[in-house]
Amino acid sequence: QQQVKQSPQSLIVQKGGISIINCAYENTAFDYFPWYQQFPGKGPALLIAIRPDVSEKKEGRFTISFNKSAKQFSLHIMDSQPGDSATYFCAASKGGGADGLTFGKGTHLIIQP
Amino acid sequence: DAGVIQSPRHEVTEMGQEVTLRCKPISGHNSLFWYRQTMMRGLELLIYFNNNVPIDDSGMPEDRFSAKMPNASFSTLKIQPSEPRDSAVYFCASLPGWNTEAFFGQGTRLTVV
Repeated sequence: QQQVKQSPQSLIVQKGGISIINCAYENTAFDYFPWYQQFPGKGPALLIAIRPDVSEKKEGRFTISFNKSAKQFSLHIMDSQPGDSATYFCAASKGGGADGLTFGKGTHLIIQP
Repeated sequence: DAGVIQSPRHEVTEMGQEVTLRCKPISGHNSLFWYRQTMMRGLELLIYFNNNVPIDDSGMPEDRFSAKMPNASFSTLKIQPSEPRDSAVYFCASLPGWNTEAFFGQGTRLTVV
């Protein structure tokens, strides 16, 4: 059972454009929703995270939008840069993040110069 | 701090052999997680510890897998006997008690032939 569904699997965006990745979850007990970025040969690294008491969180060029009633959340990367090319994973957790992460399958993002 | 340290970075072993993966979490972090990453199944939580005590091992695929955390600075994941389908990248992550950002190691790429 896939508890966190992520789309698209791959995405190509022109430099300066907006990259949008979507996730949907099933378990209403989830209360922490992070996005991780992974470069080849490296471990995932936290990019930005949100809790369900807010609908949006912005950090620099990265924004999470959260829709609790629809059980969906998304990552927007504004002014996408070639250095943003990586694999992005959405995740969800119970216990405020302390209970381990359930990951989506990942989105391979390529930013074309 | 050097971050989460995993060893070895790469391991190639023959089917039926015992494999031990090692992890040193960030000093002061009180939770440790083992994840497995494959193309087919993505990132999966195998087991996690809090204050050296195993909390949830429901993600451990079979009895062939075992994990220990004898002290706050060291954990092992053992596979005995190993099988080709165990081939994957295994990540260790640690979490401080004061926030929810999990820090991942570089991973161990295991190949069972």
